[in-house]
Amino acid sequence: QSVLTQPPSVSAAPGQKVTISCSGSTSNIANNYVSWYQQLPGTVPKLLIYDSTERPSGIPDRFSGSKSGTSATLGITGLQTGDEADYYCGTWDSSLAAVVFGGGTKLTVL
Amino acid sequence: QVQLQESGPGLVKPSETLSLTCIVSGGSISYYYWSWIRQPPGKGLEWIGYVYSTGSTNYNPSLKSRVTISLDMSKNHFSLRLSSVTAADTAVYFCARDHWGLPGIWGQGTMVTVSS
Repeated sequence: QSVLTQPPSVSAAPGQKVTISCSGSTSNIANNYVSWYQQLPGTVPKLLIYDSTERPSGIPDRFSGSKSGTSATLGITGLQTGDEADYYCGTWDSSLAAVVFGGGTKLTVL
Repeated sequence: QVQLQESGPGLVKPSETLSLTCIVSGGSISYYYWSWIRQPPGKGLEWIGYVYSTGSTNYNPSLKSRVTISLDMSKNHFSLRLSSVTAADTAVYFCARDHWGLPGIWGQGTMVTVSS
């Protein structure tokens, strides 16, 4: 049971847009920055978004992050088959004094 | 470009202590949070804890009684010790450097199996 809640799976067609939600609480998302990670099959998690909305250099602007209250959202536009991966949100939980992750969302590009 | 590489035994016996080291190259170990994160086969990510460059630490409450993370500035590496392991500790273990406070740059990961 993860502290942050993500949908287990999402799917969309190539070229379309998809959003992945990450739901938390006042002890984590509402008062701390959120990061998003992409884990392609068999690979290392890769930082996509930090500080809730910022992209590291080299991450295309097809990926975007937003946050409102106790929830955060990852958006991916212009979907490609190469985007098929597991996506995780993560943040600091002030009550636990720990980094917490969502359970992960598997993206399928149909 | 900083790179991280985990090293350590791939097989640990139940009740023994798992020990891993993360070697940091291409950058200093100063001024960052250095984390260990694990991922059981087919499951999600679990943060184990971090050590800051001052040596201060913070651990996942669910693992706190069994975890020690330390760093060696002279060798530019940091280490994980997890005691009294069971099969539930079988996972890929990643080390990572923070990017604005959360794990950002990750090592390649190392699979650790707990089995007799």
